[in-house]
Parts: sequence; structure tokens; C-alpha cells
Amino acid sequence: NAGVTQTPKFQVLKTGQSMTLQCAQDMNHEYMSWYRQDPGMGLRLIHYSVGAGITDQGEVPNGYNVSRSTTEDFPLRLLSAAPSQTSVYFCASSYSEARPYEQYFGPGTRLTVT
Amino acid sequence: AQSVTQLGSHVSVSEGALVLLRCNYSSSVPPYLFWYVQYPNQGLQLLLKYTSAATLVKGINGFEAEFKKSETSFHLTKPSAHMSDAAEYFCAVSGGRETSGSRLTFGEGTQLTVNP
Repeated sequence: NAGVTQTPKFQVLKTGQSMTLQCAQDMNHEYMSWYRQDPGMGLRLIHYSVGAGITDQGEVPNGYNVSRSTTEDFPLRLLSAAPSQTSVYFCASSYSEARPYEQYFGPGTRLTVT
Repeated sequence: AQSVTQLGSHVSVSEGALVLLRCNYSSSVPPYLFWYVQYPNQGLQLLLKYTSAATLVKGINGFEAEFKKSETSFHLTKPSAHMSDAAEYFCAVSGGRETSGSRLTFGEGTQLTVNP
């Protein structure tokens, strides 16, 4: 199993540009989520999904969109990048939302918005 | 809302010394509690979790944590630090009415340095 994969590893955007961060998992996990990591703030939940076709907002959803058309993929879209979105983004998955199963994290995408 | 507070953003110990990383939680219902570790330029990896079974939880790499309801704490310990333990450690909480089992709220993180 490849686990949770994320692409790209690094990205530089100009203010106002849009892009999609890709996330895929091959473990048939129902639950997937996106976090952003900023120094001194830990990880904050952006959006999550409890299954194909079902998504919901987390703690910091503004400026981001998600969709989940398949169990495997959960892309994160930045509609109009802002410098405040400079961060490291992590995708994670777990077997199910309902129980405290282990979450598996991808290697992260480092995004810089200038 | 549920929250966790990690006391000390940086902790430095000597190789072979006790490691103690502090975490206090706030929750109106019995929580699930986790410790994750992040090595440089990598994603997070689960060290251990508390899910209302035994209050002393053993994890990977010799780490353990004790759930103390009276102190609302879930501190992480390791008897003898190794150079390879240098990493950032995150405490997280989930569960109950406010969040599901998988929706994690993370603390700010503690950077552990191990000196030779």
C-alpha cells in the first residue's frame, strides 16, 4: 500500500492564482480530512469527508473548497490564493469517522503565496 | 468546544534522561486523546491513544501516557531519551457530542531536542 499520497510536495503561487492540492489513499478509508500547519498553532482542520459525496467544513474553511467523488481521492482547491494561505497542508485518512481509529497522514504540501 | 494545551513549545533533554511532555485537555464529555509525532519534513505518525480503556497507555518507541481525569491531563513520558526521539510532538483530542472519533483538535506542538 502507498498509504496517503499528496502532490505536489512544494508549490509557489502568486496572490489571486488558483490551484488544487491532490490527496489520494489506497486503504479504502471512509474518512478523509485536510489540515493546515502553521508555526505555534498546531494543525487546524480545514475540511473533512465521511464518505464519497459527503463533505463538511472544519475550523478554518474560508478560501478552500473540497469535493469527494470517489473513496480514494479528496482534492483541496484554493480559489484565489492569499498570502495568509502560506502554510504546510496535510491530508489524512482513517477507517471511519465514528470511532477513534488511527489517522494516517500524507507527507504534506508546502505552499508559499507571494 | 474541546481543546488541548501543550505546556512548553520547546523541551530539551540529555540523551538517557527522562522525557516528559505535558498536555492538558478541556472537554465536557469523556474524550479520546492522542499523541502524534512529526519527524522533520514528514507527516504525523500516531504514538499512542486513549479510548477509555486502561488509563496508562503504552505506545511505540517506548513512549507511554497516563490519562488523569482529575487533572484533565494526558502527559507523555519516556524513561530514557534517544537521539532519534528528536521531533515535534502533538497532543490531540476528539470524541463526544462535539466531535466524532476521528475529528481531531490538536495542541500547538512541543519541539523535543535531545542533546548528546
